[in-house]
Amino acid sequence: RKEVEQDPGPFNVPEGATVAFNCTYSNSASQSFFWYRQDCRKEPKLLMSVYSSGNEDGRFTAQLNRASQYISLLIRDSKLSDSATYLCVVRGNSGNTPLVFGKGTRLSVIA
Amino acid sequence: GAGVSQTPSNKVTEKGKYVELRCDPISGHTALYWYRQSLGQGPEFLIYFQGTGAADDSGLPNDRFFAVRPEGSVSTLKIQRTERGDSAVYLCASSLGQLTDTQYFGPGTRLTVL
Repeated sequence: RKEVEQDPGPFNVPEGATVAFNCTYSNSASQSFFWYRQDCRKEPKLLMSVYSSGNEDGRFTAQLNRASQYISLLIRDSKLSDSATYLCVVRGNSGNTPLVFGKGTRLSVIA
Repeated sequence: GAGVSQTPSNKVTEKGKYVELRCDPISGHTALYWYRQSLGQGPEFLIYFQGTGAADDSGLPNDRFFAVRPEGSVSTLKIQRTERGDSAVYLCASSLGQLTDTQYFGPGTRLTVL
């Protein structure tokens, strides 16, 4: 079983739609959780960290359920510029342990 | 300020050859990471440096892969006797080295082994 699992998509949605991505992780000792965004042929960039209490950044909302080992990302009012691959990422119980990435979920927002 | 830089951006080599990939981290970042990303996959961890020393090299696939960071800044990933399966994007990331610090990625080196 992969440590971090995501639906690879693609998700094709119209502009203005709300879309949700889900991710599960297998290591219950994981302490830090993130969503990274990766554009085609570019490096991953941090989109947002994910906290147990849930957190929101503009149109983006991230949730963490430790009991179910489940992470989600909700994008409201999708823009064309949101088209990218969204990587679910976890890190272990030491601050400098490496990041463990899912395969990513590809999103295409269509006009 | 300047981000993480990697050179070359693209490298094409023949099977069996030796290659070196370079990473310049963000100035002042003590932690440096190498990842490898194959097509359709997320990045996979290779090795992590804290300062000059390799703190975790558990991700290196075999002894053909080696990395150094002699002065605690620039790092070089070295691959001997390259194989076609080594073709991937090699990503470098750096962070301040403190708990929960964000890792910032460079643009990667796309390695193609013919």
